[in-house]
Amino acid sequence: GQQLNQSPQSMFIQEGEDVSMNCTSSSIFNTWLWYKQDPGEGPVLLIALYKAGELTSNGRLTAQFGITRKDSFLNISASIPSDVGIYFCAGPLVGNNNDMRFGAGTRLTVKP
Amino acid sequence: DAGITQSPRHKVTETGTPVTLRCHQTENHRYMYWYRQDPGHGLRLIHYSYGVKDTDKGEVSDGYSVSRSKTEDFLLTLESATSSQTSVYFCAISDSQETYGYTFGSGTRLTVV
Repeated sequence: GQQLNQSPQSMFIQEGEDVSMNCTSSSIFNTWLWYKQDPGEGPVLLIALYKAGELTSNGRLTAQFGITRKDSFLNISASIPSDVGIYFCAGPLVGNNNDMRFGAGTRLTVKP
Repeated sequence: DAGITQSPRHKVTETGTPVTLRCHQTENHRYMYWYRQDPGHGLRLIHYSYGVKDTDKGEVSDGYSVSRSKTEDFLLTLESATSSQTSVYFCAISDSQETYGYTFGSGTRLTVV
């Protein structure tokens, strides 16, 4: 089935540093989504991207929908301790909007 | 603020026993989903519902069944639990297929011993 490959698996950074993570697939996606999961909670949507080449920001977060439609990246600028969590990329399968596929996640640790 | 609640939050059960997890929403959303989360796999779709009595299988549906007799409730049943079904189960709701703004519940941690 369609797989989303997320990297890196984990990151340990100092507060104030910028972070970049990405997601790739061998198949095309028409929508890319980025979620964040805090410990003991369900994922929360951060950014949604609907067009190839689209660059969208949400506060300190910026995400881009790759021009080939097979990748996306998420940047976090000036990280703070509350950025700690697991970040997931996701996208609905082409042809079935109800079948959302998720990457395995990037676990972010921010050291004060 | 929860428009979606899952119960129970934690459960330990024995291999071979039936288990039912409940997802309840107060948002009147049409779409409801059950996912499982395992290390290294992210979230994987088990079953989903697009209306009362309308359900379909997801990527990892074997060993699971679902029912939706009311808009607000979506039940996930493991007919005969196995150790491979030890996982964290998340329910999600959505009112649109266009914007994909899923709202997730807080999860149910199920351990099958």
